[in-house]
Amino acid sequence: NAGVMQNPRHLVRRRGQEARLRCSPMKGHSHVYWYRQLPEEGLKFMVYLQKENIIDESGMPKERFSAEFPKEGPSILRIQQVVRGDSAAYFCASSPTSINQPQHFGDGTRLSIL
Amino acid sequence: GNSVTQMEGPVTLSEEAFLTINCTYTATGYPSLFWYVQYPGEGLQLLLKATKADDKGSNKGFEATYRKETTSFHLEKGSVQVSDSAVYFCALPSGGYNKLIFGAGTRLAVHP
Repeated sequence: NAGVMQNPRHLVRRRGQEARLRCSPMKGHSHVYWYRQLPEEGLKFMVYLQKENIIDESGMPKERFSAEFPKEGPSILRIQQVVRGDSAAYFCASSPTSINQPQHFGDGTRLSIL
Repeated sequence: GNSVTQMEGPVTLSEEAFLTINCTYTATGYPSLFWYVQYPGEGLQLLLKATKADDKGSNKGFEATYRKETTSFHLEKGSVQVSDSAVYFCALPSGGYNKLIFGAGTRLAVHP
């Protein structure tokens, strides 16, 4: 039973390029969460999605960042025109329901901006 | 909204020493409480959880008790091993559903 799958594990981009991070939730999980972890810091919530719906994007910057979770396929976190400050580890988590259930995390995508 | 405060690290211990990592929270209602562990280069793994007051979560020798009176969920282990070296995060849900709020994390280093 595969866990949460994130790819790529490492992504290097130059300033101004686009970064696309993918997340396939655990089988049977329809709730997906994205978090960002800056070096030596805790995880900060970015966005919560269910299939085809964004439920809460209060933690996501208003510009350059977007997320989707289509009916078919993985969830995508997209960062346009990346800047140095976007360098971080981005983690995806999934859960089967939305209330008080533990989330299962992927191994993350480490984004480096040159 | 809900929040969590975790003791700062790093915590450095010798093998077989006793471990306590403090975690206190503020919350509306009585949400579930979680401890996650992050090994180097990996994602977070759920270590243990407690779903209501006075519940004790336990796993791999680690324990934490949901204390409503002191709004605490301290992590303890009686005898740590080198393999326990990792970063530990206290967390609770917020926003009426499952959005997790994390503490800043406590790095534990265990030496032989």
